[in-house]
Parts: sequence; structure tokens; C-alpha cells
Amino acid sequence: DAGVIQSPRHEVTEMGQEVTLRCKPISGHDYLFWYRQTMMRGLELLIYFNNNVPIDDSGMPEDRFSAKMPNASFSTLKIQPSEPRDSAVYFCASSFSGTQPQHFGDGTRLSIL
Amino acid sequence: AQSVAQPEDQVNVAEGNPLTVKCTYSVSGNPYLFWYVQYPNRGLQFLLKYITGDNLVKGSYGFEAEFNKSQTSFHLKKPSALVSDSALYFCAVRDDTGGFKTIFGAGTRLFVKA
Repeated sequence: DAGVIQSPRHEVTEMGQEVTLRCKPISGHDYLFWYRQTMMRGLELLIYFNNNVPIDDSGMPEDRFSAKMPNASFSTLKIQPSEPRDSAVYFCASSFSGTQPQHFGDGTRLSIL
Repeated sequence: AQSVAQPEDQVNVAEGNPLTVKCTYSVSGNPYLFWYVQYPNRGLQFLLKYITGDNLVKGSYGFEAEFNKSQTSFHLKKPSALVSDSALYFCAVRDDTGGFKTIFGAGTRLFVKA
């Protein structure tokens, strides 16, 4: 079975532009998580979904960030407008249940100039 | 509130020697504990987990971890380190009181010298 698929792998854009990150979870997994990884703050949970419904978005930094999961096989994380401090690696992960391990994609390395 | 601490930023060990990567945690209820490994430019990969049962958990690639409730620890171990084990290791915890928010430690970089 294919793992979690994220696109793009790399994104470089200018400050103020809209950025959309995409994730396809493993088929049959009902939990989806978005994380951000930086050297300074480590791995931070931004938001997670259960059965396509957002459950906890307390980690979303501010209103510039939004996430959607329109169906069980697709999720997006959008930043509008983007700022240089948003530069990080963004990971998507999915799991079959809360007690099962999370399967991570290989991330999107985002650079905001 | 849940928290997890990995007290060492880096662990250095010679190939063939045993290795230990430390992790302590704090949760309100019973803990679900996980170890993950991250190689450069890759996502985290699951190594092992403790949910309940035997305190010694065996996982992938010869790794194991020991759950110690009294010390609230979940240290990762391997009897004989390989150079290919060099990577970034994360301990993670969530509790059983509701919600599925998993907290990750800051990570420990393991360097195995040939």
C-alpha cells in the first residue's frame, strides 16, 4: 500500500503569496494530522481530523492558516498571506486510530522569501 | 497537560556498543507511548509503541524500549548499535483521557561512530 503522499515536496514563494500544501492519507485511515517542524520549535501539531472533521485546531498559529479535508483521501493546508516566519517543513500523517502509530509523509519544505 | 522530555540533544556511541536514548513523560491518565525515527529529508517512521501489557516492548530494526511507570520513563535501547542507526529519534506520548493529540519530544540525535 502506498504511504502518505504530500505535494509539493518543495515550495519557494514570495511573502504575501498564497501557499497550498496537499496530502493524501493512507486508505482506510480515519485520522489525519498536520505538523510543522522547525529547528527552533521542533515538531508542532497544527490540526487533526477524524473522519474528515476537524477535531483540534488549537495549534494553528493564526488566521492566516486554514486546513480542510473535503473527503477521506485528500486534505489541504493553506497559508494566506504567507510570511517568512512560516518557512518550515510541513508534515502530514495519518493513522487508523488514536492508539495506532501515525504514518508520516515525507513533508513539504516551504521557504517564504 | 501532557508533556515529554528528551534530556539529551545528542547521543554518541561506538558501533557495536549498546545504546540508550532517554525519554520521560507526564500525562493525566494512562500513557500511550511511541518512538519514531527520522532520517534526513524524510518523514518520521514508527519504531515501537507501548499501550499496555509487558513493560519491555520490542520494535523494528532490533530496537526495544522499557516502560517504567514509577519513573515515568520510556527509554529506547538497542544491544548493538549500527552506523546506519544514526538519525534523529523522537519520543511521543498521548493519554487515554480523550482526544488524540500526540505530543512529541524535541528529538535526540544519535550518532554511531564506526
